Amino acid sequence: GQNIDQPTEMTATEGAIVQINCTYQTSGFNGLFWYQQHAGEAPTFLSYNVLDGLEEKGRFSSFLSRSKGYSYLLLKELQMKDSASYLCAGSGGYNKLIFGAGTRLAVHP
Amino acid sequence: IAGITQAPTSQILAAGRRMTLRCTQDMRHNAMYWYRQDLGLGLRLIHYSNTAGTTGKGEVPDGYSVSRANTDDFPLTLASAVPSQTSVYFCASSDSSGAADTQYFGPGTRLTVL
Repeated sequence: GQNIDQPTEMTATEGAIVQINCTYQTSGFNGLFWYQQHAGEAPTFLSYNVLDGLEEKGRFSSFLSRSKGYSYLLLKELQMKDSASYLCAGSGGYNKLIFGAGTRLAVHP
Repeated sequence: IAGITQAPTSQILAAGRRMTLRCTQDMRHNAMYWYRQDLGLGLRLIHYSNTAGTTGKGEVPDGYSVSRANTDDFPLTLASAVPSQTSVYFCASSDSSGAADTQYFGPGTRLTVL
């Protein structure tokens, strides 16, 4: 099957670092997307990993291990505006983007 | 540049009624998608279109139909709405339908079927 698992909720403190994990149990995934979704808004693209390793983009980094079916999104220097849901999505080929249920992150002062 | 627009923003609909959700993009993207998002579940693909004139079924297509008469528009129709179709509907588009193509989402339509 094609399952994407990520924690439902996480909390963190402003200025801290948080890691949001995502695991997937499928063969055939070509890569892994991360999206950010603020409450009541559309998902917006954060990152795409197709090769193993860490991709850094400002305060956000994303890691992929294809052999382990594992990815994480790392958020540094957390800000209040980072409070949102973070969606992990596996790309299984043409028109096959499988989303996890999302991790709701609450950043506290 | 507006990106992707959806209409209406929200709608309350009586069960059994027909409803069309509109989606328009101005990025000249070839591929377009319709998802529904329900609490506790991930975004689930309803229908997709790789290019104008073609459509395909996603994970949860039953009760929904789509058309793609041109590049910009991709309406989603509920022929006879049922309460289980209460959801937030997102339209998305990507340059092509390849595995690495980023999908860009519209603002969503919140639909309530009573």
